[in-house]
Amino acid sequence: RKEVEQDPGPFNVPEGATVAFNCTYSNSASQSFFWYRQDCRKEPKLLMSVYSSGNEDGRFTAQLNRASQYISLLIRDSKLSDSATYLCVVNRLRTNNDMRFGAGTRLTVKP
Amino acid sequence: GAGVSQSPSNKVTEKGKDVELRCDPISGHTALYWYRQSLGQGLEFLIYFQGNSAPDKSGLPSDRFSAERTGGSVSTLTIQRTQQEDSAVYLCASSRGHGGSNEQFFGPGTRLTVL
Repeated sequence: RKEVEQDPGPFNVPEGATVAFNCTYSNSASQSFFWYRQDCRKEPKLLMSVYSSGNEDGRFTAQLNRASQYISLLIRDSKLSDSATYLCVVNRLRTNNDMRFGAGTRLTVKP
Repeated sequence: GAGVSQSPSNKVTEKGKDVELRCDPISGHTALYWYRQSLGQGLEFLIYFQGNSAPDKSGLPSDRFSAERTGGSVSTLTIQRTQQEDSAVYLCASSRGHGGSNEQFFGPGTRLTVL
């Protein structure tokens, strides 16, 4: 079993739709969590951190459920430019940067 | 400021040859990672360096793969006796490490093609 698991998709949604991705992680001691975005043939870039209380950045909302060991990303009012692969990332240890990436969920927003 | 750089950007080699891939992390970043990404696939963790600690090599797929990080800065990933299944984009990332932001900054990658 992979340490970080995501539904690979693809998710194909119309502009303006709301779409949600989930990610599960197996290491209960994991300390911090992130969503990265990767455009086609580009390197991944940080989209947002995920805080225990949940956090929002414009149209994007991230939530963490430690008891069930999953994190989620909600995108409201999807734009064409949101089309990308979204990577779930888990930092395994408290004191070190020891990050593990999920395989990613592919999103395509269509006109 | 300068980001993570990798060289070469593209490498085509023949099966059985050795290759060396280079990564220059952001200055001051103590953590450095190597990943591999095959076409249409997610990131596969290879190896992780943190300061002067022994590296985490748990992701290296075989003993043909090795990596070094000299002086806590530049890193080289070496693949010996390359095989066609080694063809992928090799990504390097760095982050601040202890006490700093966990954000990983990625280089543009090296696209390796083994013929």
